[in-house]
Amino acid sequence: EVQLVESGGDLAQPGGSLRLSCAASGFTFNSYAMNWVRQAPGKGLEWVASVSGSGGTTYYAVSVKGRFTISRDNSKNTLFLQMNGLRVEDTASYYCTKGGAGWYTKHWGQGTLVTVSS
Amino acid sequence: DIQMTQSPSSLSASVGDRVTITCRASQGISNYLAWYQQKPGRVPNLLIYGASTVQSGVPSRFSGSGFGTDFTLTISSLQPEDVATYYCQKYNSAPFTFGPGTKVDIK
Repeated sequence: EVQLVESGGDLAQPGGSLRLSCAASGFTFNSYAMNWVRQAPGKGLEWVASVSGSGGTTYYAVSVKGRFTISRDNSKNTLFLQMNGLRVEDTASYYCTKGGAGWYTKHWGQGTLVTVSS
Repeated sequence: DIQMTQSPSSLSASVGDRVTITCRASQGISNYLAWYQQKPGRVPNLLIYGASTVQSGVPSRFSGSGFGTDFTLTISSLQPEDVATYYCQKYNSAPFTFGPGTKVDIK
């Protein structure tokens, strides 16, 4: 059974940093692209970033490019999202997701809440 | 970047009704289109990928069609448990944009 467990969500000040982690199990981690998707309270889904199975290819939404960094440690089956320069508008639940046979999402974690406020 | 739109933004239908949701891409995306269902207070769930391939375990009343720029998600007979917001997502190339969502309620 695929399991994705996020951690690291917290209250941060504008301009601050957080590092999200996602522990993955139940599948061959390095064979699948992984993604971060966020959802602000009461709003729709927003794709944030993706990384290929090897970690060699990354993609970012314009809204986070230059501030967030997606990475993975295939030896530890863990996905990361380093979030710097946080803004109030980054407040959201952040979901770790596993790709399918393509860059869509086949499995979702339960999410971790990031709140950016002074 | 390619923009994704959905229509309607919300709808209310009766149990047993046929429901159709439309997703449109501002440029062609071949069949690289996925649909997700998010029930209130729950994590999203993959329904369809490749525009028309139904994910294993998804009820047969859900179907998808389309190619290029215009796509549809159809619920052949709406059930109470289908109350949810439905999102499309393009995944031909980054950015892997989601549509704004369509909220489905029971009349």
